[in-house]
Amino acid sequence: KQEVTQIPAALSVPEGENLVLNCSFTDSAIYNLQWFRQDPGKGLTSLLLIQSSQREQTSGRLNASLDKSSGRSTLYIAASQPGDSATYLCAVRGNTGNQFYFGTGTSLTVIP
Amino acid sequence: GAGVSQTPSNKVTEKGKYVELRCDPISGHTALYWYRQSLGQGPEFLIYFQGTGAADDSGLPNDRFFAVRPEGSVSTLKIQRTERGDSAVYLCASSPEAGHEQYFGPGTRLTVT
Repeated sequence: KQEVTQIPAALSVPEGENLVLNCSFTDSAIYNLQWFRQDPGKGLTSLLLIQSSQREQTSGRLNASLDKSSGRSTLYIAASQPGDSATYLCAVRGNTGNQFYFGTGTSLTVIP
Repeated sequence: GAGVSQTPSNKVTEKGKYVELRCDPISGHTALYWYRQSLGQGPEFLIYFQGTGAADDSGLPNDRFFAVRPEGSVSTLKIQRTERGDSAVYLCASSPEAGHEQYFGPGTRLTVT
C-alpha cells in the first residue's frame, strides 16, 4: 500500500519568506500527484496536479516539482502572505486502481 | 460554475442510528469519490464510482457503510448502526474522468453521540 509522508507537520514563517513543503511516497509507480490546501473547517482546494511524466507545474507563486524515482515532491511558495496560512496536503494516485493516497498535511502559518 | 456540494454540512446523531450523506458532483463529472477525514489526518479513501457503478469500494471500513449513485450523478453515503468511531468529516470529490484532477466539496461533519 502506498504510504505518503509530509514533513514538516507544521511550519511558521514571517511574511515575505520563500518556503518549501515536502511530500514523499513509498511506491514510485504513480499516475499523478496533486497538491491541495485546506482551510480550517473547509474542504480541499486543488492547487496543482502533476502527471507522472512531468517534472514540475507552476501556478502564480506556487511551483510543484516531482521526482518519481526518489519518491518525492516539493511545493515551493514564493513571497508568502498571511492568506497562505492553511494546511497543505499532497495526494498520490498509483498506476493501478483509482485510489488517491493522502499525506497528513503540513500546517502553514504566515506571520504578518 | 457550481462546484461540488454536500448536504448536510453538519449532522449530529445518536449511536445506533442510521444516517445518509449526500453529494452533488460537478455536472458532467463521471468519477466520484468519498473520503473520510479524522482530526489532524489526511483524507482516507472510502469508495470510488465511475458512472453508476462502484468501481472500487475497498476503503469502506465494514458492511455498515454503503454508497449508491443510481443515475450517475448524485451519490448518497449510507451508514447503518452508527458508532462513535464513525465521527469524522466525510468528503466527496468529483473529476471529469477517473484519475484526473479532483474537486472537493466542503464536507459533512458527522458527530455520533
